[in-house]
Amino acid sequence: EAQVTQNPRYLITVTGKKLTVTCSQNMNHEYMSWYRQDPGLGLRQIYYSMNVEVTDKGDVPEGYKVSRKEKRNFPLILESPSPNQTSLYFCASSWSGREAFFGQGTRLTVV
Amino acid sequence: AQSVTQLDSQVPVFEEAPVELRCNYSSSVSVYLFWYVQYPNQGLQLLLKYLSGSTLVKGINGFEAEFNKSQTSFHLRKPSVHISDTAEYFCAVSDWDTGNQFYFGTGTSLTVIP
Repeated sequence: EAQVTQNPRYLITVTGKKLTVTCSQNMNHEYMSWYRQDPGLGLRQIYYSMNVEVTDKGDVPEGYKVSRKEKRNFPLILESPSPNQTSLYFCASSWSGREAFFGQGTRLTVV
Repeated sequence: AQSVTQLDSQVPVFEEAPVELRCNYSSSVSVYLFWYVQYPNQGLQLLLKYLSGSTLVKGINGFEAEFNKSQTSFHLRKPSVHISDTAEYFCAVSDWDTGNQFYFGTGTSLTVIP
C-alpha cells in the first residue's frame, strides 16, 4: 500500500530536549516536505527536498533542521524545542507535483 | 511564488443544502490544482485534482470543482451536503515554475447543521 509514515503520532517533550520526527514514504517520490498546521494559519511549509541531499527552506524554517540521505526518508529535527513549536506536523511526498500524499500527522507539545 | 486564498474561513450550511467553497490563486501559468479534506483528528485526504483536460473535475463523496483560468479560481461545490461532510477543506496549487512546489490556502471549516 502506498503510504507516508510518520512517527511518533503524539509527543510531549520539555523545552530544549532534542527530538526527531521520522517520515518515510514507499512510493519512490523525489519530492518530500514538512508542514506545520496551526489554527487559523493553515499549512505552513517548514522545509522541502527535491531529491537526495537537496533540501531548502520553506516559509517557517527557524528552529528546525532536516536531512535527506535516502530517497525514502526525510526526518524533521528540533535541536532545542520551544513552546512556540507546539503544533501539528505533517510530512508529505509527491511525484512531479501531481498529488501530495500526507502522513497521519504528529501532534507535538513542548512544555 | 504562488499565493492561495480561501475566501471563507468558516462556512455553516444546513444538511441537504448546496455549498460552495471558494479558492483563488495568484498565477494561472503552469499549475495543478487540488482540494484536500481533513476530518477531525485525521490527516489530509485528496478530494479531487485538476491536472489537465476538462475544467470540471469530479471527486470523491459527490464533490466537484471547476477550474477557471481567466479568474484564477478553483471553487469546490456539492449540491447536497451531509453531516459527515463536516471537516476542514484546503485548496492547494502545485506550480511547475517553482519545481512543483505545493502552496496551500489557510483552510475553510465546513460545518453541516442538522
